This record gives sequence, structure tokens and C-alpha cells, in this order.
Amino acid sequence: DQQVKQNSPSLSVQEGRISILNCDYTNSMFDYFLWYKKYPAEGPTFLISISSIKDKNEDGRFTVFLNKSAKHLSLHIVPSQPGDSAVYFCAAKGNRDDKIIFGKGTRLHILP
Amino acid sequence: ETGVTQSPTHLIKTRGQQVTLRCSSQSGHNTVSWYQQALGQGPQFIFQYYREEENGRGNFPPRFSGLQFPNYSSELNVNALELDDSALYLCASRGDRVADTQYFGPGTRLTVL
Repeated sequence: DQQVKQNSPSLSVQEGRISILNCDYTNSMFDYFLWYKKYPAEGPTFLISISSIKDKNEDGRFTVFLNKSAKHLSLHIVPSQPGDSAVYFCAAKGNRDDKIIFGKGTRLHILP
Repeated sequence: ETGVTQSPTHLIKTRGQQVTLRCSSQSGHNTVSWYQQALGQGPQFIFQYYREEENGRGNFPPRFSGLQFPNYSSELNVNALELDDSALYLCASRGDRVADTQYFGPGTRLTVL
């Protein structure tokens, strides 16, 4: 039973355009949502997070949107750059718990 | 560069053997978590240690066990290896607040033949 779902295994976006990565979750007890980026041969790197009390968090080119009623979040990257090519994991956790539940990831390809 | 290191980078074992994977956390990080990432999947939580005590466990059998030491190093031990244990094993450390970011190491790729 997958509690965090990333339904797009891969996504290709032209350099300079906006990349939108989507994520759905099923557990309404999740309190905190995170996005991690992973390059080959490296561990996941924390990118941005959002608390369930917010609906938007922005950090430079990265913005995460949370729609609690739809149990949906998305990561927007604008403008997309070649170095953004990586696997992006959506993840969630409760506020008392360190257990992070990850989605399967979306591989983002930024095209020149 | 997260300050979290893992060894070895790669490891090949045969079914039934035992393996020990090692992690060195950032200095000051008393919490360490271990994850298993199978091919094509996201990382799955195995367990967490805080100040040398296990304080959280995912859906993994008892043959997965761990140790944490006062010098910010830790181990993941897997007994009676099975083919399905082939995966990337990641450790992550964080500071003392639950909201603190977890920093992941590069992982150990385990292949069980």
C-alpha cells in the first residue's frame, strides 16, 4: 500500500521552461512534506519542504505547493537548468515521527 | 557534501551470509536512520537509533539489526541474506529536533547472489 505516490516515472522539460513534478498521498496524518533530489552514486539531497499548515513554500527557483483537501503536492522548478536533471523523490512524515515515507521518484530530464 | 559517509561503496555477498554496513554521521547528530532502496523504488525506512537505542522500526524482519556508537558511527547488520536484500542501503543523520533535516550518505550497494 503506497502512501506516497509519484505517478510519472519520468519527465522531460526544455531548458529554461518550468518543470512541474506531482505527488499524491493517502495518509491524512502526514504533517510534513519534503522533496529530495538524487544524482547517481549519491544519496538523496534535501531540496525543500512544506508544513501541512502552509500551502506554498518558495526557495529560489523551487516552489512547493500543497493542496491538503486533494492530498496533492507539486514541485515547480523555474527556470529549469541542465543541473536539475536528476531523480526527484516526494516524501512525507508525521510531526512526532522520523520515519520518512518516500514515493518511487520521478526522473527529470532537462533538454538543451 | 552532507558530512555523512558510508562504507563500503559496493559489496557482493551470497545467500545465507551475514553483512555489516557502516555509517559515519555528522558530528553532533545523535539520530541516525537506515533506509533500503530497491531498484526502481524509493527508500524504505528500516529503523532509527537515538543515542545508541533503537527508537523506531519499519516493516523489516529481526534479521535486520543495528548498532549506534557514541562516536557518531553506526552499523546495519543483516543476517541470513536473501536475494531480495539486494539494494542500495542509505543512512541518514539529523540533529536532535524532529524537524531537523535528515542528511543522507551516498549509500552502500549490496548485491546478494
